[in-house]
Amino acid sequence: DTGVSQNPRHKITKRGQNVTFRCDPISEHNRLYWYRQTLGQGPEFLTYFQNEAQLEKSRLLSDRFSAERPKGSFSTLEIQRTEQGDSAMYLCASSAERQVSYEQYFGPGTRLTVT
Amino acid sequence: AQTVTQSQPEMSVQEAETVTLSCTYDTSESDYYLFWYKQPPSRQMILVIRQEAYKQQNATENRFSVNFQKAAKSFSLKISDSQLGDAAMYFCAFLLKKLVFGQGTRLTINP
Repeated sequence: DTGVSQNPRHKITKRGQNVTFRCDPISEHNRLYWYRQTLGQGPEFLTYFQNEAQLEKSRLLSDRFSAERPKGSFSTLEIQRTEQGDSAMYLCASSAERQVSYEQYFGPGTRLTVT
Repeated sequence: AQTVTQSQPEMSVQEAETVTLSCTYDTSESDYYLFWYKQPPSRQMILVIRQEAYKQQNATENRFSVNFQKAAKSFSLKISDSQLGDAAMYFCAFLLKKLVFGQGTRLTINP
């Protein structure tokens, strides 16, 4: 069990550029979640997948955001035409459906800075 | 919609003493899970303790225990024998399908 990994760990981009983040969940976990955390706040839910199906999206996920999990393994989160308000930590978490408590294991996050 | 409120933005405690972090939540559901997560500075979120709403018994994990009051929708975390390594942001979270987090409490441990 290598844990949830996220790449890159840090990303600095200019306003208007597109960025893509990757999340690799724990291998046997079929559920994958994306959250956004701004400084001093708790994480906010963005979207989640069960296997390759995207089951729920938050209103926070504007049309500039898209997430995929093509083969039910890793996931990508793309932000198009970045804005300064997109600056945040993007967290990925995974869980196994068979777990009674659906405990979510978090990755280290990708910190995005939009200049 | 579910909401989680942590009314203490910051708390501090002397090393080896006990501290209690407060959390209240709002939901109309009867079957759910509650968690406390710890986020040390610049490090990833880790689970401290979990509580199933259908269980009346309060969860305990070593020095960490909860006081779960379902009717009052209250879920506080007690840390006994505080250690320097306990310093972190602590988040209370509610789970139905997705996690809903509180605003967090920053815990400082004074040596």
